[in-house]
Formats: sequence, C-alpha cells, structure tokens
Amino acid sequence: DQQVKQNSPSLSVQEGRISILNCDYTNSMFDYFLWYKKYPAEGPTFLISISSIKDKNEDGRFTVFLNKSAKHLSLHIVPSQPGDSAVYFCAARGGTYKYIFGTGTRLKVLA
Amino acid sequence: GAGVSQSPRYKVTKRGQDVTLRCDPISSHATLYWYQQALGQGPEFLTYFNYEAQPDKSGLPSDRFSAERPEGSISTLTIQRTEQRDSAMYRCASSLDRASNEQYFGPGTRLTVT
Repeated sequence: DQQVKQNSPSLSVQEGRISILNCDYTNSMFDYFLWYKKYPAEGPTFLISISSIKDKNEDGRFTVFLNKSAKHLSLHIVPSQPGDSAVYFCAARGGTYKYIFGTGTRLKVLA
Repeated sequence: GAGVSQSPRYKVTKRGQDVTLRCDPISSHATLYWYQQALGQGPEFLTYFNYEAQPDKSGLPSDRFSAERPEGSISTLTIQRTEQRDSAMYRCASSLDRASNEQYFGPGTRLTVT
C-alpha cells in the first residue's frame, strides 16, 4: 500500500522551459509535504515544503502546488536549468512525525 | 559537525553475520531518522529519535533490526543475523527538532549481504 506515489519515473525538459513533477497521496491526515532533490552518490537534499493548510509555496524558481481535494501536489521549476537534472522525491509527513517518500522522478534538463 | 556523516560508506557481510551502522548527525539537531532505500525506490522510514527517546520504530522490518541513540547524539543501527534481503542503502537524516520538516541526509551506507 503505497501512500505516496510518483507515477512518472522520468521526465526530460528543454533548458529554459518549465519542469512539472507530480505526486499523489492517499492519506488525508498528512500535514506537510516536501520535495527533495538527489544527485548521484549523494544523500537527498531538501528543496521546498508546503503545509496542508496552504495551496502554494514559492521559493525562487521552485513552486509547489497542493490540491487537497485531489490529493495531488506538483513541483514547478521555471526556468529549468541543466543543474536541475537529478532525482526528485516527494514526501509526506504523518501525525507521528513519520515521513513517507515516493519512488522518485528522474529529471533530465537538456541544454 | 558540518553535515551528517555515516560510516562505513560500504559494508559487505556474509549472511548470518551482525552489522552495526553509525550515524553522526549535525551537532545541534535533536531529531534523527533512519531510512532503508532499495535500488530505484525512495527512502523508507525505519525509526526516529527525538534526543535519546525513540517515539516511533514502526518501520523496523523485524526484531533483527534495532537502533540506539544513548546520549542523544550519535546513533547506531544494528542488524542481527543478516539476510540477503537486508541488502540496501541505509540513510540517516537529522533535523533541528521534530517540528522542523527539513531533514539533512547523510551519504548513506551501502550494505551488501552475500
């Protein structure tokens, strides 16, 4: 029973265009949602988060949108840069401070 | 320290042996998490500590797995009588406190059980 799903294992985007990474969840009790970025041979790095009481959070080129009725969140990267090429993990926080991660989406930004 | 460190980075062990993995979190961080990550998957929660207390160990797959953080800083994850299915990347992460959802991950320990 996968509570956090990233259905696209990979995504390719042209440099300068928008990258949209998607994540679906099943548990309506999650109170925070997060995105992490991971480069090869490194641990995941925190990117951006959003509380369940908000529907949008923006930080520079990164914006996370939360649609609670659809149990869906997305990460928008505008404009995409080659250095954004990495694996992106969506994660959700449960009531006991336990975090559930998705399986990741590999983003490739083409120069 | 400057970041989260883990040791060893790589560990190969024979089935049936015990292994202990170590995590050294960022010094000011109260909360420490352990995750297991299979190839092509996301990190899967094992357990977490708030200082030395261990409020949630629901993710530990069996009683062969145990974790400690006796002084609220360095933590160890021990796997007894290792099995081939235990082969995975084991990641440690720390955060300032439980309310802070920004976790800082270490580089991981790649465990291979032969």
